[in-house]
Amino acid sequence: EDQVTQSPEALRLQEGESSSLNCSYTVSGLRGLFWYRQDPGKGPEFLFTLYSAGEEKEKERLKATLTKKESFLHITAPKPEDSATYLCAVQEGGGGSNYKLTFGKGTLLTVNP
Amino acid sequence: DTEVTQTPKHLVMGMTNKKSLKCEQHMGHRAMYWYKQKAKKPPELMFVYSYEKLSINESVPSRFSPECPNSSLLNLHLHALQPEDSALYLCASSQWGSTGNTIYFGEGSWLTVV
Repeated sequence: EDQVTQSPEALRLQEGESSSLNCSYTVSGLRGLFWYRQDPGKGPEFLFTLYSAGEEKEKERLKATLTKKESFLHITAPKPEDSATYLCAVQEGGGGSNYKLTFGKGTLLTVNP
Repeated sequence: DTEVTQTPKHLVMGMTNKKSLKCEQHMGHRAMYWYKQKAKKPPELMFVYSYEKLSINESVPSRFSPECPNSSLLNLHLHALQPEDSALYLCASSQWGSTGNTIYFGEGSWLTVV
């Protein structure tokens, strides 16, 4: 059973059409939930870290929220340059697990002009 | 821009070659990582170093040999690789502490084994 599940697998939007990506997780003792953006052929680019339920963070057109079971990445009025794969990852508590990220499979976002 | 620098960006090697991937960070982080990423898959953890000592080895075959010469540098020595080892190899770094630590990735090194 996957510990981190992202949905949808792929999302196609028109420019300006707002939407949300979902990341649900089943780990216990969450230390942190992370969102990354990854462009083709490049390394993941850090976007947000969320530590506790109720926390929200924003950056430009992106807003990340966290509950006890899931996180959402809201994209407001997206532009074509927001097209990328968005990865969600979690860190569990305890010993070396603090340094291990468990990734979801990602959501491939395409924004058409 | 990422502050984790990886070289080379692309590497093609034969199955009998010996090569190395290099990584450098200047953020004062004391944890450094190697991840492997295949096409359309998420990154998979290979090794974790903390304070220049190997902390985690995710049962990686011995043909991959990590080295951490100092707190800023991380190498991955490659020998007798197989074509299925072709992938994007990502270096990353983070602080080392008890709370959730943000892990920052480099741009990656594309490895092709022929």
